[in-house]
Amino acid sequence: GAVVSQHPSRVICKSGTSVKIECRSLDFQATTMFWYRQFPKKSLMLMATSNEGSKATYEQGVEKDKFLINHASLTLSTLTVTSAHPEDSSFYICSASGTSDDYEQYFGPGTRLTVT
Amino acid sequence: ILNVEQSPQSLHVQEGDSTNFTCSFPSSNFYALHWYRWETAKSPEALFVMTLNGDEKKKGRISATLNTKEGYSYLYIKGSQPEDSATYLCARGGSYIPTFGRGTSLIVHP
Repeated sequence: GAVVSQHPSRVICKSGTSVKIECRSLDFQATTMFWYRQFPKKSLMLMATSNEGSKATYEQGVEKDKFLINHASLTLSTLTVTSAHPEDSSFYICSASGTSDDYEQYFGPGTRLTVT
Repeated sequence: ILNVEQSPQSLHVQEGDSTNFTCSFPSSNFYALHWYRWETAKSPEALFVMTLNGDEKKKGRISATLNTKEGYSYLYIKGSQPEDSATYLCARGGSYIPTFGRGTSLIVHP
C-alpha cells in the first residue's frame, strides 16, 4: 500500500522559534496533500490543502502567515509553524492523495509539536 | 445535512457485544465515503472506502454499509473486543477535499 512519512515524529521548540515538518509520499506521486491538526477531544481539523506547484488553500480561521505550507514536488510537502507559541502545541498529521478516483487518503504517522 | 455528522458521539459496550454507529452526510455530488479507525496521537487507519449506493464492505468483525441516496453509512462491529476501542471516523470525499465527521469514540470494557 501507499506509504506516507512525516519528519520529525516529535519536536520540542522554544516559544518564538519556527519549526518545519515534512510530509513525504514514499511510493506514489501525491497530487494533493492535506495538513490536519488534532485538538484535544476533537476530530481531525483540516488546516489546508496543497497541490503541487500551487499555493495552498487554507481553511477558515487558519493563519496562512503562521502556518506556511509548501508543496514543492509530487512527493514532498512541508508545514512550517512560524513564531511558535505554546498554544500551537498539538499533533499535526498530513495525508496524501494520488490519482485514484475515490480520493483515497494515506496518512502520515503524525508529528507531536510541543512549544515551551 | 450540510456537514458530516456521526452518532453517537461516544459508546461504551461490554466485551462480546455487537454495536453499530452512523455517519450522515450530504448526498449531493457524492464521490466516496471513507471509514477510519483512529487512536489518539496516531495516524488514522483506513478501514473502508465505499463509492456505490448499496455497497457493503467487510473486514473481519467490522462491516459497513452505504446509502448514497439518503446520505448515511453504518459501521458494525460484531463481538466487540477491548482492542476495538478507538475513535471511528468517517469522511466524505467530494471534489477531493475530504470532510471528516467528529467521530464516534468506542470503549469496549473487558
